[in-house]
Amino acid sequence: ETGVTQSPTHLIKTRGQQVTLRCSSQSGHNTVSWYQQALGQGPQFIFQYYREEENGRGNFPPRFSGLQFPNYSSELNVNALELDDSALYLCASNLYRGHGELFFGEGSRLTVL
Amino acid sequence: KQEVTQIPAALSVPEGENLVLNCSFTDSAIYNLQWFRQDPGKGLTSLLLIQSSQREQTSGRLNASLDKSSGRSTLYIAASQPGDSATYLCAVRWMDSSYKLIFGSGTRLLVRP
Repeated sequence: ETGVTQSPTHLIKTRGQQVTLRCSSQSGHNTVSWYQQALGQGPQFIFQYYREEENGRGNFPPRFSGLQFPNYSSELNVNALELDDSALYLCASNLYRGHGELFFGEGSRLTVL
Repeated sequence: KQEVTQIPAALSVPEGENLVLNCSFTDSAIYNLQWFRQDPGKGLTSLLLIQSSQREQTSGRLNASLDKSSGRSTLYIAASQPGDSATYLCAVRWMDSSYKLIFGSGTRLLVRP
């Protein structure tokens, strides 16, 4: 059974740029969620995708957007990067719209200069 | 407002000690509660999931309890080992927003040899 995988593991961008982070869900899981974790804090929910549609969103501006593909993999896109976007971005997957046990990937560490 | 609180923020114990990590949450209308472990710079590893109808769950040296009426959960670690050193996060899924987890800020545990 393959776990949740994310890429890239680390990246550095400058303010105003755009970034795309990628996630492959755990085998058999059809729901993907994205979380942002600032240093020393718990993760904050960004949004969830189920059957290629967003079905829940946290308190993040529209410049945070996402996609889910037919194979249940997902992308997180962030436009017009700000310094405060520097964080660990975590992808998680589970079965059926997020009600079950959530499994996380190793994360993508984004630094915005 | 639905919030999760973990106290203390940090804990240092000698190897072999039994210990309890605390998690409190506002609003008892939860769907489930999940405990995670996070090593520095890494993703989250799921430890235990407790459904709202359950009182406790056990896995090896770990035991998690849930008391919805008082808004509390505890994670008991028996016979602690240096390898248990990590940050432990508690996360709650509420009924009215069951698509997301809301996390506490975690307890950073150090087990001294």
